[in-house]
Amino acid sequence: NAGVTQTPKFQVLKTGQSMTLQCAQDMNHNSMYWYRQDPGMGLRLIYYSASEGTTDKGEVPNGYNVSRLNKREFSLRLESAAPSQTSVYFCASSERPEHLYNEQFFGPGTRLTVL
Amino acid sequence: SQQGEEDPQALSIQEGENATMNCSYKTSINNLQWYRQNSGRGLVHLILIRSNEREKHSGRLRVTLDTSKKSSSLLITASRAADTASYFCATGLISNFGNEKLTFGTGTRLTIIP
Repeated sequence: NAGVTQTPKFQVLKTGQSMTLQCAQDMNHNSMYWYRQDPGMGLRLIYYSASEGTTDKGEVPNGYNVSRLNKREFSLRLESAAPSQTSVYFCASSERPEHLYNEQFFGPGTRLTVL
Repeated sequence: SQQGEEDPQALSIQEGENATMNCSYKTSINNLQWYRQNSGRGLVHLILIRSNEREKHSGRLRVTLDTSKKSSSLLITASRAADTASYFCATGLISNFGNEKLTFGTGTRLTIIP
């Protein structure tokens, strides 16, 4: 039972390049999330997927797209990377799409540098 | 915008002492959660307290919630070197789509001195 896995662990891009961050969970969770973490800013929600087939914007969605490929996988795409997107990206999942009392389980993170 | 603000931003204590960190938030919540993050790792859930609860315990952790003051505290008793980490509070809110979203604070960096 691996929990939440993310690939790659590290990535360096040049401005304007594109890439996709992959996330998968094996806990049969319905909801999945993408966050970015910047120094002194805590975690900020980029996009989330309440259930398979649905995605919604979070606090900082500009410059990103997501795909909920199936119940297990939720990918984050940067179409044209910018230095402002240098950050650590975390994927998370939780059990139910409905409200209340859901703890989130986090992956180990992807450290992205855009030059 | 950040919903939660932790205080202090950094805390250093001797091993064996108790550590207290606080979280203040701005709007009504359904629950408040505390997470730990070891350096270079993902976040790990520690404890959840519902909006109708005032205090909760889990092992060496004690969480209080005061909804009238919009604040929470996390107490770690008998601290150990392994408790060195960053601690984040996260407030749970129901979105317009009926899904809960968490909003994280900026964290408290706790260092336990052996």
